[in-house]
Amino acid sequence: SQQGEEDPQALSIQEGENATMNCSYKTSINNLQWYRQNSGRGLVHLILIRSNEREKHSGRLRVTLDTSKKSSSLLITASRAADTASYFCATDAGGNYQLIWGAGTKLIIKP
Amino acid sequence: DTGVSQNPRHKITKRGQNVTFRCDPISEHNRLYWYRQTLGQGPEFLTYFQNEAQLEKSRLLSDRFSAERPKGSFSTLEIQRTEQGDSAMYLCASSIAGGVSNQPQHFGDGTRLSIL
Repeated sequence: SQQGEEDPQALSIQEGENATMNCSYKTSINNLQWYRQNSGRGLVHLILIRSNEREKHSGRLRVTLDTSKKSSSLLITASRAADTASYFCATDAGGNYQLIWGAGTKLIIKP
Repeated sequence: DTGVSQNPRHKITKRGQNVTFRCDPISEHNRLYWYRQTLGQGPEFLTYFQNEAQLEKSRLLSDRFSAERPKGSFSTLEIQRTEQGDSAMYLCASSIAGGVSNQPQHFGDGTRLSIL
């Protein structure tokens, strides 16, 4: 079953603009992870945020987590054409070491 | 670190045939996962190994699917009597064990299965 839901399903912006995508989930979690997937390739881990953290940065990426609202956001600043990909959130609800995945946000950066 | 390797990258077969995919994880990773992904969807969990032990298998996985990790290194996923609905990308991922929480997973580029 898919716990995470990304929003929007698709996002198209101009190069240089910021891109924000959101993830909502249903149950308590240990951590939440964001991954990127280029077309026809495997997923690449971007960032992991633990349930006791509220914000985390990695380069041009900023992730926030609001456990009271069961939601997370991924912000990509100063977007580049190479950021064009699908972005997925995955939640770790604990207990069985299984990640639960959303359906992803397809991001297109127009040059 | 040579990454997670999956073979073959593409497999086309007729309905009813058996297929087998191979995954070579990152060498020091003791956890190995198999997922299935269809177009426009996130990965769907199939099964998971810690070392050579298969610890969990999705209830959605039919008896036609079987996975092994005989020496705790590479893994194989076999689908018997393939059906049209088995057409998908099959992804393998590996990670280190990290206490009660999942550590980041490293993915291969998948095997794309097409059933004619």
